[in-house]
Amino acid sequence: LAKTTQPISMDSYEGQEVNITCSHNNIATNDYITWYQQFPSQGPRFIIQGYKTKVTNEVASLFIPADRKSSTLSLPRVSLSDTAVYYCLVGGNQGGKLIFGQGTELSVKP
Amino acid sequence: EPEVTQTPSHQVTQMGQEVILRCVPISNHLYFYWYRQILGQKVEFLVSFYNNEISEKSEIFDDQFSVERPDGSNFTLKIRSTKLEDSAMYFCASSEPGQGASYEQYFGPGTRLTVT
Repeated sequence: LAKTTQPISMDSYEGQEVNITCSHNNIATNDYITWYQQFPSQGPRFIIQGYKTKVTNEVASLFIPADRKSSTLSLPRVSLSDTAVYYCLVGGNQGGKLIFGQGTELSVKP
Repeated sequence: EPEVTQTPSHQVTQMGQEVILRCVPISNHLYFYWYRQILGQKVEFLVSFYNNEISEKSEIFDDQFSVERPDGSNFTLKIRSTKLEDSAMYFCASSEPGQGASYEQYFGPGTRLTVT
């Protein structure tokens, strides 16, 4: 499983766009990039997954450059309720374990 | 929207006692998992389960742990003789087989286990 590196914490204000970048230099050809969100005392929640280029859903966008050695989770117009820990995970095995790092603790202020 | 449920939400037990944590995965899912998160630390994988057998387990999942799918809906984690360091939030998760690789797992709300 590829190792990931992401900032420990980020601060933002309501209404701003937040971009969290994750480095995964050793990503393998069949690896996907997946982001999870975790609120305090709750289980992680799947946000978005991608393989290359750009993926967008109702919650976020995921930008993956051509070399796939990094990815950026973009949260448009964050609100206070987006305060959470965001995890970047890399892997490709269906039914496989998730290996969580420390994640990025996002704090959204009014 | 279907969801994973877990009971109890909080379990307090004495050291050396056995506990069973229960989970009801999403009904059409075939892969099941247990994770734990010690307070202030990262989420750690314990075990994955597919086709009525363990498919992978971590070094944390030693002989005091066991999992079972006793019927068509429940998935349980048993800790035979609890230790103080077993105090943590335990999350159950499930996922469905997909067309390709997927890391989309659905997590339950967790059971907070406190060993005294």
